[in-house]
Amino acid sequence: QQPVQSPQAVILREGEDAVINCSSSKALYSVHWYRQKHGEAPIFLMILLKGGEQKGHDKISASFNEKKQQSSLYLTASQLSYSGTYFCGTRTGGGADGLTFGKGTHLIIQP
Amino acid sequence: KAGVTQTPRYLIKTRGQQVTLSCSPISGHRSVSWYQQTPGQGLQFLFEYFSETQRNKGNFPGRFSGRQFSNSRSEMNVSTLELGDSALYLCASRKTGTSSTDTQYFGPGTRLTVL
Repeated sequence: QQPVQSPQAVILREGEDAVINCSSSKALYSVHWYRQKHGEAPIFLMILLKGGEQKGHDKISASFNEKKQQSSLYLTASQLSYSGTYFCGTRTGGGADGLTFGKGTHLIIQP
Repeated sequence: KAGVTQTPRYLIKTRGQQVTLSCSPISGHRSVSWYQQTPGQGLQFLFEYFSETQRNKGNFPGRFSGRQFSNSRSEMNVSTLELGDSALYLCASRKTGTSSTDTQYFGPGTRLTVL
């Protein structure tokens, strides 16, 4: 079953923070975050595993709440380059499954 | 290291025709997955191949098929095209296909338009 992402869209000013959520009704083994710019391939951001720690690099970080089967992506001090559509992909089992993606969150950063 | 490549990048077909899309994974990657992306449905999993065998299949009709060659390159085929098949078809590769921690890397996609 497809994970639910929220919000569907968000508009920010450069320097503001954003949180994107990804919730599943199924027990998750891993959550994978991607960003896609218009006309381009989705770019991998990070993986969060069941039992793993919060991940992050630069000003983008993410967490995984196993009890709620929810992951959140945090974008701090957003930059213009952060604009795009963010997708979470989930796996409920071992590594042989394909990723099930949410419908995406459109993020627009304005100067 | 070269990324995932897909050919062709753009394709226009008419209803009833068939189409074959090609994907070359990152060198050393043995797993190839295919996804369909549309504005309404988002990214949907089609199937995954590993060592020339289809391991998983999404909820798509039998008109969608694929195969993988011994060099890990993959093709997907759509027969009897329908208007609703118009989409961006993305290929993604990962190293082993057996670990949940494998990072999946996407190609640029093939934009298919069915008239």
